[in-house]
Amino acid sequence: GENVEQHPSTLSVQEGDSAVIKCTYSDSASNYFPWYKQELGKGPQLIIDIRSNVGEKKDQRIAVTLNKTAKHFSLHITETQPEDSAVYFCAASKNTDKLIFGTGTRLQVFP
Amino acid sequence: ETGVTQTPRHLVMGMTNKKSLKCEQHLGHNAMYWYKQSAKKPLELMFVYSLEERVENNSVPSRFSPECPNSSHLFLHLHTLQPEDSALYLCASSQDYALEEAFFGQGTRLTVV
Repeated sequence: GENVEQHPSTLSVQEGDSAVIKCTYSDSASNYFPWYKQELGKGPQLIIDIRSNVGEKKDQRIAVTLNKTAKHFSLHITETQPEDSAVYFCAASKNTDKLIFGTGTRLQVFP
Repeated sequence: ETGVTQTPRHLVMGMTNKKSLKCEQHLGHNAMYWYKQSAKKPLELMFVYSLEERVENNSVPSRFSPECPNSSHLFLHLHTLQPEDSALYLCASSQDYALEEAFFGQGTRLTVV
């Protein structure tokens, strides 16, 4: 079955710097890769996703890149702000199959 | 608000108690999910219901019993739990099963004493 690994487990950056979180997956048939943000006391919320027919997707300060050959995808946050502090989860799935989540990255943005 | 509401937000129960977690979605979705979130572990999918039928049961112990009376409501009935079952239990829904954005509730923080 699919296995998703996520690194780093914790990440601290200065406000304004960029943050990058990386995930690898094992099943080459996986074709959907969402990223979720979980703030304290809340459930995870989808922030961006990418499907296997594209290599990059951007939405304002966040972007996701996908390398199907290497089976890894990354979340990039530019110009980080304190409100970006949260736990971020990557996930992967293939057609009609369940999402497999990574272990999460706790991002702290210091003012 | 995500449109998915879970109650209660916090629950403390003894190992001999019986309790239920409730989830309600106001999004008109057809699929609903129960996840378990433990510290330093990936989100674990427990149960999936699609159009009120259970489509997945991921080797979850029988002390957890789901119920989906209609497409808007999902319950997780708990009995004779163990301390290691203490975790955040998250409910989610999506328009249809798989490859769709999942909307999560805020979760129920369960502590088994």
